[in-house]
Amino acid sequence: GENVEQHPSTLSVQEGDSAVIKCTYSDSASNYFPWYKQELGKGPQLIIDIRSNVGEKKDQRIAVTLNKTAKHFSLHITETQPEDSAVYFCAAMGQAGTALIFGKGTTLSVSS
Amino acid sequence: GAGVSQTPSNKVTEKGKYVELRCDPISGHTALYWYRQSLGQGPEFLIYFQGTGAADDSGLPNDRFFAVRPEGSVSTLKIQRTERGDSAVYLCASSLLGMDSQGTQYFGPGTRLLVL
Repeated sequence: GENVEQHPSTLSVQEGDSAVIKCTYSDSASNYFPWYKQELGKGPQLIIDIRSNVGEKKDQRIAVTLNKTAKHFSLHITETQPEDSAVYFCAAMGQAGTALIFGKGTTLSVSS
Repeated sequence: GAGVSQTPSNKVTEKGKYVELRCDPISGHTALYWYRQSLGQGPEFLIYFQGTGAADDSGLPNDRFFAVRPEGSVSTLKIQRTERGDSAVYLCASSLLGMDSQGTQYFGPGTRLLVL
């Protein structure tokens, strides 16, 4: 089945810097890749997702890139702010009808 | 509009007891999912409903776990003979399109279950 690896497990940046989180997946049939942000005591919140028919997607300060050949995808956050501090999860869904598989998460800390 | 809601937000029980966790999906969402999240881990899939039927229950860890969605809206996750290892956050998500259409999943706040 699908396996998703996420790196790094923790990431500390200064306010205004960029942050990059990387994920790899094992199932070459996977074609849907969402990213979730989870704050303490809350459920995961979808921040951006990408499907395999595009290589990059951007929404204001957040962007996701996908390399299907290498089976990895990345989250890029520019101009980080303290409120970006949270745990970020990547996920992958294989061929239609299979479950969403999550990485173990990255704890992002943005200091002002 | 209203998001996914889950009750209770916290549940403390004793080993061996029975618990029920409730999920109210976003109005109009036909697909509903249950996940379990252990400390320091990502959510792990348990079960998926399309309408009233469980379309995929491959993630349920054993027969102590059961879920229902009798009217195609609210769902209840039921855990019998709870064990300390069942302690986790139980998350519910819903989507407009089903898993076979890779519908975007929106999560509720979760129920934090502690088994003493």
